[in-house]
Amino acid sequence: NAGVTQTPKFRVLKTGQSMTLLCAQDMNHEYMYWYRQDPGMGLRLIHYSVGEGTTAKGEVPDGYNVSRLKKQNFLLGLESAAPSQTSVYFCASSYGARSSGANVLTFGAGSRLTVL
Amino acid sequence: KQEVTQIPAALSVPEGENLVLNCSFTDSAIYNLQWFRQDPGKGLTSLLLIQSSQREQTSGRLNASLDKSSGRSTLYIAASQPGDSATYLCAVRPGSARQLTFGSGTQLTVLP
Repeated sequence: NAGVTQTPKFRVLKTGQSMTLLCAQDMNHEYMYWYRQDPGMGLRLIHYSVGEGTTAKGEVPDGYNVSRLKKQNFLLGLESAAPSQTSVYFCASSYGARSSGANVLTFGAGSRLTVL
Repeated sequence: KQEVTQIPAALSVPEGENLVLNCSFTDSAIYNLQWFRQDPGKGLTSLLLIQSSQREQTSGRLNASLDKSSGRSTLYIAASQPGDSATYLCAVRPGSARQLTFGSGTQLTVLP
């Protein structure tokens, strides 16, 4: 049982380069989220999705784009990476609002991104 | 804007001690509060979830309490073990939003 899988686990970019982080879940969850975790700041929500084809902005969306073309995948893109985007990125998923499981998030193991 | 604070940032205790981790939040209009555990290099694992109408939840050696009126939650760990060493984060879900607001966590070390 894979749960939530993030790829890649590590990546080093130069300023201005672009990249995409992939999140895949095999639990048929409706909701998916992208968070970033920085030292001393906890996790902050970047973007989230409540279903296939839908996305919404979170607390810190600037510099990021997302897509949810398939229910099981949620992609996070950086079009022009900046050093301020150096962070650990976590994907999470949960059941939809009509399920009691909507409250319980399953997290991936994280993707560590360094922008030089 | 909801803010979640966890103090202390780090805590070190000898094995066998009972301990309490603290979480405070600024807006009492929450839907629920969760406690997570994070091991180094790993994702977060949900430990306990307390609905806004509940006062506490228990799972094994863990007990979480919630006092909405004062904006506080505590996570009580009984008879701590070295395997409990991890970072513990609390997160609140505002009543009107789907996303969680996280605290910055307390890094716990249980010494053998």
